[in-house]
Amino acid sequence: QKEVEQNSGPLSVPEGAIASLNCTYSDRGSQSFFWYRQYSGKSPELIMFIYSNGDKEDGRFTAQLNKASQYVSLLIRDSQPSDSATYLCAVTLLDSSYKLIFGSGTRLLVRP
Amino acid sequence: DTGVSQDPRHKITKRGQNVTFRCDPISEHNRLYWYRQTLGQGPEFLTYFQNEAQLEKSRLLSDRFSAERPKGSFSTLEIQRTEQGDSAMYLCASSSRRANGYTFGSGTRLTVV
Repeated sequence: QKEVEQNSGPLSVPEGAIASLNCTYSDRGSQSFFWYRQYSGKSPELIMFIYSNGDKEDGRFTAQLNKASQYVSLLIRDSQPSDSATYLCAVTLLDSSYKLIFGSGTRLLVRP
Repeated sequence: DTGVSQDPRHKITKRGQNVTFRCDPISEHNRLYWYRQTLGQGPEFLTYFQNEAQLEKSRLLSDRFSAERPKGSFSTLEIQRTEQGDSAMYLCASSSRRANGYTFGSGTRLTVV
């Protein structure tokens, strides 16, 4: 079992819709959770982080964490074509809180 | 200081040659990481420095890979006797103890022919 799992996609949504990206993780001791956006040929860029159960909102982005279900998600409201990218979920492990373990990413396509 | 800098951006080398990449982290960040990313995959952890000390090295990293961070400033990643399987994007990232997440550099894309 991979430590961080994401559906590779692509997830295709129309412009203006809500995009929902999901991630599950295997280490129950994980404490910190991150979402990175990566455009093709570029390096990952941090867009959200969440540490506590529940929702955290930042502009059009909402991160949701459910530690009991070992599940973290990212919602993008009013999706724009410029949001088309690969979204990487990353978590820290209990025994190495300094190190991020990444999923393989979900490719999002926002259709104009 | 505008971010994490990596040099070179691209490197094409022949199989069997040695290559060295450089990373300059954000100046106030004492933690530095190297990752490798291949097409369709997420970044894969290679090694971690806190100041000048290399505190973790991935078991996936063969003895052909070595990294240094003299004086806790910039870091270098050397790959000896390159193989075609080493072709990937090599990403450097830095953080501080208080930072939320890492800041990545632009990466070095290595192609071994």
